Amino acid sequence: QSVLTQPPSASGTPGQRVTISCSGSSSNIGTNTVNWYQQLPGTAPKLLICSNNQRPSGVPDRFSGSKSGTSASLAISGLQSEDEADYYCAAWDASLNGRWVFGGGTKLTVL
Amino acid sequence: QVQLVQSGSELKNLGASVKVSCKASGYSISTYSMNWVRQAPGQGLEWMGWISTTTGNPMYAQGFTGRFVFSLDTSVSTTYLQISSLKAEDTAVYYCARAVPATGGGDAFDVWGQGTMVTVSS
Repeated sequence: QSVLTQPPSASGTPGQRVTISCSGSSSNIGTNTVNWYQQLPGTAPKLLICSNNQRPSGVPDRFSGSKSGTSASLAISGLQSEDEADYYCAAWDASLNGRWVFGGGTKLTVL
Repeated sequence: QVQLVQSGSELKNLGASVKVSCKASGYSISTYSMNWVRQAPGQGLEWMGWISTTTGNPMYAQGFTGRFVFSLDTSVSTTYLQISSLKAEDTAVYYCARAVPATGGGDAFDVWGQGTMVTVSS
């Protein structure tokens, strides 16, 4: 059972816009920033969005993040086949002496 | 370029120990803390804890105390994860990940090792 809640799956067709939600609580998303990671099949996770809505250098502007209260969202516009991957949200949680918590991951399928 | 290179896959018997290495290059390892993340087969990411690369002090997440040890050798820019008394449920890919201050606040894991698969066999 993950501390952050994500839908297990999402899908879209090429060119579409899809969003992935991430729900937390006051001890994590409610008080700290949210990061998003993309994990392509058989590879290590890659930082996609940091500080709720900041794209690291090299990340296409098709990817965007937002946060409101204790929830966050990742949006992918102009969906491409290479976007098919697992996506994880993460946030620092103040409970249990502090810890990083992840969502359970969302598998994005490009139809 | 900045990268973290981990040691290769391991196949171990129940009750044995394993030591996974994570070598940093392209930056001074003492600049940023190093985290460890576990991913069981077909499962999500689970944070195991982190080690200060300035003091060598480790901090372990709940569930990763006792059999798990993080260590550091700055002379070779390498951090280590040792797991003792291996159990079947330790079978997973283990990642090291560097934590850096993020642009808009907070920290983020900006560089990850390629992962080390540890398989525990009976």
